[in-house]
Amino acid sequence: AQSVSQHNHHVILSEAASLELGCNYSYGGTVNLFWYVQYPGQHLQLLLKYFSGDPLVKGIKGFEAEFIKSKFSFNLRKPSVQWSDTAEYFCAVNDLFGNEKLTFGTGTRLTIIP
Amino acid sequence: NAGVTQTPKFQVLKTGQSMTLQCAQDMNHEYMSWYRQDPGMGLRLIHYSVGAGITDQGEVPNGYNVSRSTTEDFPLRLLSAAPSQTSVYFCASTLGSLGGEQYFGPGTRLTVT
Repeated sequence: AQSVSQHNHHVILSEAASLELGCNYSYGGTVNLFWYVQYPGQHLQLLLKYFSGDPLVKGIKGFEAEFIKSKFSFNLRKPSVQWSDTAEYFCAVNDLFGNEKLTFGTGTRLTIIP
Repeated sequence: NAGVTQTPKFQVLKTGQSMTLQCAQDMNHEYMSWYRQDPGMGLRLIHYSVGAGITDQGEVPNGYNVSRSTTEDFPLRLLSAAPSQTSVYFCASTLGSLGGEQYFGPGTRLTVT
């Protein structure tokens, strides 16, 4: 079965710092990859996704992620974070030739200090 | 479009009580799913449906039932609530494939005492 690892459980940064959140998955076949964000008190919403093509994908609010197939990774990055980026971030993966269900990571809580 | 709606937003149950969490979507999505979110465990799939009349179990189905009589609605039933079912429940719908982009509802926070 597919598994997704987010090793950073809680990250605390100051405003304007650069961000990188790790995401590794176990399945080596063809995958779709997602990052979702959950702002305090709100439901999950899509930040960005990778299906195919350019492995560097850009999402909303200045976020980007790079798919590195050889490392089974899909790390999320932002060059300069803002206080409003305080949220929980979830990586999710589905393998296209398996049962197609999404597998979520355990999430990374990001706290930005003004 | 309202997207995915869920009711109620909050619910407190006593152990052994039953209840239904409602979920509806107006996007004509074929695929719908129920997840529970627990601290440190991310989202775990409870049940899912690939179309009206078709449901299947996810990762953590025990203690829950679902049905899908229409494309729009996908209720989740707790048969006999237990404290271990205290969680936040999210319904999601997807167009095109089960593993595609999920559109989430606002969630139901359930406490079982």
